[in-house]
Amino acid sequence: KQEVTQIPAALSVPEGENLVLNCSFTDSAIYNLQWFRQDPGKGLTSLLLIQSSQREQTSGRLNASLDKSSGRSTLYIAASQPGDSATYLCAVSSGGGADGLTFGKGTHLIIQP
Amino acid sequence: NAGVTQTPKFRILKIGQSMTLQCTQDMNHNYMYWYRQDPGMGLKLIYYSVGAGITDKGEVPNGYNVSRSTTEDFPLRLELAAPSQTSVYFCASSKTVYEQYFGPGTRLTVT
Repeated sequence: KQEVTQIPAALSVPEGENLVLNCSFTDSAIYNLQWFRQDPGKGLTSLLLIQSSQREQTSGRLNASLDKSSGRSTLYIAASQPGDSATYLCAVSSGGGADGLTFGKGTHLIIQP
Repeated sequence: NAGVTQTPKFRILKIGQSMTLQCTQDMNHNYMYWYRQDPGMGLKLIYYSVGAGITDKGEVPNGYNVSRSTTEDFPLRLELAAPSQTSVYFCASSKTVYEQYFGPGTRLTVT
């Protein structure tokens, strides 16, 4: 059974810092990995999708990497801003999209002004 | 293009009552999913569907039922509500192997 772990569970940093969120998964036979952002009381917003054949994806100040063989992904946030404060969720698809995503518990991020 | 819409946004049920959570997507996606999220936890898959007329169980299906009569709609039925079903419910859709798009969620309390 696939399990996804996110470290740290919570993180508080001053504005402007670069930071790394970590995600690990137990079964390397994934189809893709997706990073989401969740604001309090809101739904999920997709940030980046990495297919299993890819090593990284970039969107603005966000960069996600994938090392499938070691079961790890990182989300790098450059020049953090207070608006980046949210919970970040990592999820993997192990069945080609047919059988849903397996989620980690998330990293709760606070960026201090 | 509204994406994935869910109704209601909030609901309080008494133990033993039943209700249907509605989910509609206008992106012509084949795949649709229902997840639940408990406080401080990641999402867990309840049911999914790969197309109209086809549904299958996810990780936590007990106490729920689904149907998929059209491509657009994927309602989730709760029978005999229990306090353990207090959660936030998210519906999502995807076009085969591409990224999933989520609705805003339904916050359900069973007392």
